Amino acid sequence: QSALTQPASVSGSPGQSITISCTGTSTDVGDYNYVSWYQQYPGKAPKLMIYDVSNRPSGVSNRFSGSKSGNTASLTISGLQAEDEADYYCSSYTGSSTDVVFGGGTKLTVL
Amino acid sequence: QVQLRESGPGLVKPSQTLSLTCTVSGGSISSNSYFWSWIRQPAGKGLEWIGRIYTSGSTNYNPSLKSRVTISVDTSKNQFSLKLSSVTAADTAVYYCARGYWSGWVDPWGQGTLVTVSS
Repeated sequence: QSALTQPASVSGSPGQSITISCTGTSTDVGDYNYVSWYQQYPGKAPKLMIYDVSNRPSGVSNRFSGSKSGNTASLTISGLQAEDEADYYCSSYTGSSTDVVFGGGTKLTVL
Repeated sequence: QVQLRESGPGLVKPSQTLSLTCTVSGGSISSNSYFWSWIRQPAGKGLEWIGRIYTSGSTNYNPSLKSRVTISVDTSKNQFSLKLSSVTAADTAVYYCARGYWSGWVDPWGQGTLVTVSS
């Protein structure tokens, strides 16, 4: 099972909205509504931001939202803040022996 | 709340077996709702799923690592473990343990532990 495809980097100015895409296949992202998103600061463990495509865990800002269309999932961050600058990873359940697959990660820069 | 902490040697020689333990606190590892997972991250690279175990002992492994990986659980100690055999320099990474749900999401994560494979 290949890794999910994410853009290497995205950027935006404070207050703007950005979207990070996560492209898989019909056997992972396209087949299940089980995409999750993680935020990771340098030297720190990842933090769950979105699960099951569009659900936010308790304590995660509502500026973070998730969606999916076909084989591509998306993470949108609205009202961009300096503290949002981090790496973001998507993940999908695959239902196969691979079980779970991650994207390659996207570095978000807040200009 | 549930917390996880990895422990084990930070240096392993090539061809030997990497062994890590994850200690769970603030909750029971025997909870029927969760899986217990291992994920790794080479320096400057992305996350790689290693595998996970249910408290029944049922496991799923990344096919690319399956021949070398064993994940086990010790409910009496509230711990689960990772063994990766025949390691090479390519196995050098930060290794994370995490609690997960059957649909794949994981939360929370341990702080991570760096394992270097070198002679």
